[in-house]
Amino acid sequence: DTGVSQDPRHKITKRGQNVTFRCDPISEHNRLYWYRQTLGQGPEFLTYFQNEAQLEKSRLLSDRFSAERPKGSFSTLEIQRTEQGDSAMYLCASSFYRAGETQYFGPGTRLLVL
Amino acid sequence: QKEVEQDPGPLSVPEGAIVSLNCTYSNSAFQYFMWYRQYSRKGPELLMYTYSSGNKEDGRFTAQVDKSSKYISLFIRDSQPSDSATYLCAMSGSNFGNEKLTFGTGTRLTIIP
Repeated sequence: DTGVSQDPRHKITKRGQNVTFRCDPISEHNRLYWYRQTLGQGPEFLTYFQNEAQLEKSRLLSDRFSAERPKGSFSTLEIQRTEQGDSAMYLCASSFYRAGETQYFGPGTRLLVL
Repeated sequence: QKEVEQDPGPLSVPEGAIVSLNCTYSNSAFQYFMWYRQYSRKGPELLMYTYSSGNKEDGRFTAQVDKSSKYISLFIRDSQPSDSATYLCAMSGSNFGNEKLTFGTGTRLTIIP
């Protein structure tokens, strides 16, 4: 399968714990995006990378959230000191930066904070 | 006020009916308009995208953009039960898919056999 993959697919954690999600983009895609989707809502942009550089962060991304893409390939999204309000689907997408290219989404990681 | 407004539904129609899904937006900087389909517990998949005002057709799907009214639509003809999903409109500025997308809330559609 050459699509965007995310791991884990599901995560249940207790409030206050740290969690880390991984996203593997489509091979050779140089842009990688993170979105968050809560029940009954559309995805909301969190941040994106071009290669290893983080180009934009949403104000939704509090200090407890950090994302990295150290070698310009896979990316990790870490949430520290999780809160119940962090429960959501975390979606990763990737694209190849040129005109006419769209974003392809992964299956998402569903987080439940108890 | 959200930049993109979309009726969340739910919308139920009989098989074979024509379905009309709509979004309005307030940000004049939006230039690219996309429709994604999302099945339950899956990631969104791109159905169609348009750049300028007018219509674009792909099989049973037609996307329509009216920039003067800041209004976009997706029509599904001869709807099938497999079309049952949540439909998300999404928009971006001048860089098409290479910048953040702003989504509507999604409309949940059920096609009744």
